[in-house]
Amino acid sequence: EADIYQTPRYLVIGTGKKITLECSQTMGHDKMYWYQQDPGMELHLIHYSYGVNSTEKGDLSSESTVSRIRTEHFPLTLESARPSHTSQYLCASSEYGGSGKRNEQFFGPGTRLTVL
Amino acid sequence: QQQVKQSPQSLIVQKGGIPIINCAYENTAFDYFPWYQQFPGKGPALLIAIRPDVSEKKEGRFTISFNKSAKQFSLHIMDSQPGDSATYFCAASYGGSQGNLIFGKGTKLSVKP
Repeated sequence: EADIYQTPRYLVIGTGKKITLECSQTMGHDKMYWYQQDPGMELHLIHYSYGVNSTEKGDLSSESTVSRIRTEHFPLTLESARPSHTSQYLCASSEYGGSGKRNEQFFGPGTRLTVL
Repeated sequence: QQQVKQSPQSLIVQKGGIPIINCAYENTAFDYFPWYQQFPGKGPALLIAIRPDVSEKKEGRFTISFNKSAKQFSLHIMDSQPGDSATYFCAASYGGSQGNLIFGKGTKLSVKP
């Protein structure tokens, strides 16, 4: 079964703190993504990765950074959290490369971040 | 510039009704058009998808209609149920599995019993 995990599910933190949002998938997918979604709003792509040691910036500028040291793991880090970073962060993964591959993205449950 | 425009923003129907959600796109290079369903507190999940070489695709009670010349596509939900109440996002991408999805703003659907 396809699974993608995100921790923590909820995080309330003070301004200036460093945070890391975890994302792991067990599907062996090469491509992974981070989206930012405000309540009731569309998804904005902030980072993606084609595989190990690959990271790219998405359409929405973000002060966060990502790393991809292992295929299954794609953490997102904010060095100094601010109230403007309050949002929901969704991680996703998909197959990549080769003909006939589906572009279906599988999403995790999200991390709801509140910065006070 | 929003590349995928979705309407309406919200929709209320009675049980058994047929809600229709519309999306329009600008980029003619798009070659994959999925719809995602999101329940509160969950991540989106793929509902149904279409490629531009077909005009309609059905999966159960969900149908995508695609009009390539008008650059529009829509989702129809037949015999809607209260359990269909969710937010629906259309999206588009190009380059097959290599393309990133560009999402519409979403439609919040409420199906009344």
